[in-house]
Amino acid sequence: KQEVTQIPAALSVPEGENLVLNCSFTDSAIYNLQWFRQDPGKGLTSLLLIQSSQREQTSGRLNASLDKSSGRSTLYIAASQPGDSATYLCAVGHSGYSTLTFGKGTMLLVSP
Amino acid sequence: SQTIHQWPATLVQPVGSPLSLECTVEGTSNPNLYWYRQAAGRGLQLLFYSVGIGQISSEVPQNLSASRPQDRQFILSSKKLLLSDSGFYLCAWTQGTGANVLTFGAGSRLTVL
Repeated sequence: KQEVTQIPAALSVPEGENLVLNCSFTDSAIYNLQWFRQDPGKGLTSLLLIQSSQREQTSGRLNASLDKSSGRSTLYIAASQPGDSATYLCAVGHSGYSTLTFGKGTMLLVSP
Repeated sequence: SQTIHQWPATLVQPVGSPLSLECTVEGTSNPNLYWYRQAAGRGLQLLFYSVGIGQISSEVPQNLSASRPQDRQFILSSKKLLLSDSGFYLCAWTQGTGANVLTFGAGSRLTVL
């Protein structure tokens, strides 16, 4: 059974810092990996999708990497802003039908 | 463009009462549809998914059920709610198979008292 772990559970940084969120998974036979953002009481917004054949994806200040062999992914946020404050969730896909296994998330607070 | 709607947004129900949460997707056809639950202190858990009308796959045994009466409509139901059914329920969709982005609705907050 796939297990997804996110470290740290919570992170507080001052505005402008670069930061890294970590995600690890136990079964390396994955189909894809997605990073999501969730604001309090809201649904999830997809940030980046990495296919199993890819090593990284970039969108603006966000960069996600994938190392299948070691069962790890990182989300790098450059020049953090207060608007980045949210919970970031990592999810591993097992098939083409997006039946994802989620981590519990990292709660990020960026202070002005 | 495609949009996904969920309702109701908030629901407070007594133990033993029935439940019906609805989800619809607009602007696409034959989407894959999903119900996830997010309970306090736990990660998101896939409950059901559907790849077509009348086709439902259940991931976790429970007192919940799902139905897909129309191509773009997905319903989550229960005949008798339990306290443990409380949580944040999220509907989501993707198009076809492959490494496609999963798009979520705004969620339905269920409190069972």
